[in-house]
Amino acid sequence: GENVEQHPSTLSVQEGDSAVIKCTYSDSASNYFPWYKQELGKGPQLIIDIRSNVGEKKDQRIAVTLNKTAKHFSLHITETQPEDSAVYFCAARPGHGGSQGNLIFGKGTKLSVKP
Amino acid sequence: DTAVSQTPKYLVTQMGNDKSIKCEQNLGHDTMYWYKQDSKKFLKIMFSYNNKELIINETVPNRFSPKSPDKAHLNLHINSLELGDSAVYFCASFTGLRGYTFGSGTRLTVV
Repeated sequence: GENVEQHPSTLSVQEGDSAVIKCTYSDSASNYFPWYKQELGKGPQLIIDIRSNVGEKKDQRIAVTLNKTAKHFSLHITETQPEDSAVYFCAARPGHGGSQGNLIFGKGTKLSVKP
Repeated sequence: DTAVSQTPKYLVTQMGNDKSIKCEQNLGHDTMYWYKQDSKKFLKIMFSYNNKELIINETVPNRFSPKSPDKAHLNLHINSLELGDSAVYFCASFTGLRGYTFGSGTRLTVV
C-alpha cells in the first residue's frame, strides 16, 4: 500500500523567511496530493492541493510542487508570519483498488515562526 | 454553518465502558471517514463509508464499529474501551471536487 514520508518533523523559521516541507510517496498510481494545516485544538484544514497532471500550483504565499518521476512533492511558504505556526500534513491518495479515496498522511511537520 | 460537526468535543470515560461519537456533514458528500490521531499527531484511517457501504476497514479492533443511519451521518461506536484508545478522533467527508473536509475532532480520554 501507499506510504508517505514527511520531513522535517519540526521546522523553526524567522518571520519573513521561507519554509519548505518535503514529502515522498511510494505508490506511483497516487493521483492527488493535498496539504493540511492543523492548529492547536482544531481539525486539519486543507490549504492547497495538487493533482498528478500538474507540476506546480500557487496560492498567494503558498505553493506546492510535484515531481512524479521522483515521487515527491513539497510545500513552500514564503514571507512566513507567526499565524503560519501550526502542524502541516502532506497526504497522498492511491488511485486504484479498494483504497481509492483513502488519504494516507505523512507524520506531520510542526512549523514555528518566530516574530 | 459548520460543514462537518462532531460531538462531543471531549469525552472522558472509564475502561470497559461503551461510548459513541457522532458525526454529521451538511456538504452533501458521498463518502465519510473516521481518522484516529495519536499523541504523536499521526493521522491514521479507521473507516470509510460510501452510500451506506463500508468500503475500507483498516487494522482496527472489532470493538470499533461505524454506524451510518443516512448519507449525512457516520457515528463511531466503541465497546469495552481500553487505555490505548485514548486519542483524538476526526470525522471527515470527501468529494472529488473539494477533497476532504475534517471535523474539529473528539478528544477521547480513557481512565
